[in-house]
Amino acid sequence: LAKTTQPISMDSYEGQEVNITCSHNNIATNDYITWYQQFPSQGPRFIIQGYKTKVTNEVASLFIPADRKSSTLSLPRVSLSDTAVYYCLVGAFSSGSARQLTFGSGTQLTVLP
Amino acid sequence: DAGVTQSPTHLIKTRGQQVTLRCSPKSGHDTVSWYQQALGQGPQFIFQYYEEEERQRGNFPDRFSGHQFPNYSSELNVNALLLGDSALYLCASSDRTRSSGRASYNEQFFGPGTRLTVL
Repeated sequence: LAKTTQPISMDSYEGQEVNITCSHNNIATNDYITWYQQFPSQGPRFIIQGYKTKVTNEVASLFIPADRKSSTLSLPRVSLSDTAVYYCLVGAFSSGSARQLTFGSGTQLTVLP
Repeated sequence: DAGVTQSPTHLIKTRGQQVTLRCSPKSGHDTVSWYQQALGQGPQFIFQYYEEEERQRGNFPDRFSGHQFPNYSSELNVNALLLGDSALYLCASSDRTRSSGRASYNEQFFGPGTRLTVL
């Protein structure tokens, strides 16, 4: 399983764009990159997943360079409710089963008023 | 449509006791995974069940066992509790048959967790 490295914490202000970068130097060919969000005393919630280039959904964008050794989660115009821990996960999926998710320590994002 | 539900919400036990936690998966999901999350840490994978059998297991001792019922719900049992077992226990469900792109992608939906305190 590829090891990931993220900043321990980040602060931002309401309305700003936040970019959280994750390093995964030993990512394998079949690995996908997935981001989860977790609020205190709640289970993690899937945000976005990608393999290469750029992926965008209604809540975030994921930028993956050509070498795939890092990825950046972009949250546009954050609000106080985006204060949470964000996890970057890297791994492959196998046919017919849900892979075990390997979480690191995550990035604590604090949005200030 | 109910999401993943877990019971109880909170639980307090003493060392040496046994505990059973319960999970009901999201409607339409057949796979249940259990995770342990210590304070300030990311969740750690315990094991996964589908078709009523344990399919994958993380680095947890045999004191941790589980079961899956025909309706896909699941239980996590922990025997001989230790102080270090105090944590948030999370259940995640997924649909094994769903696939996306070049690999089978099974998005996992997490429940709210059970907070276990061992005194």
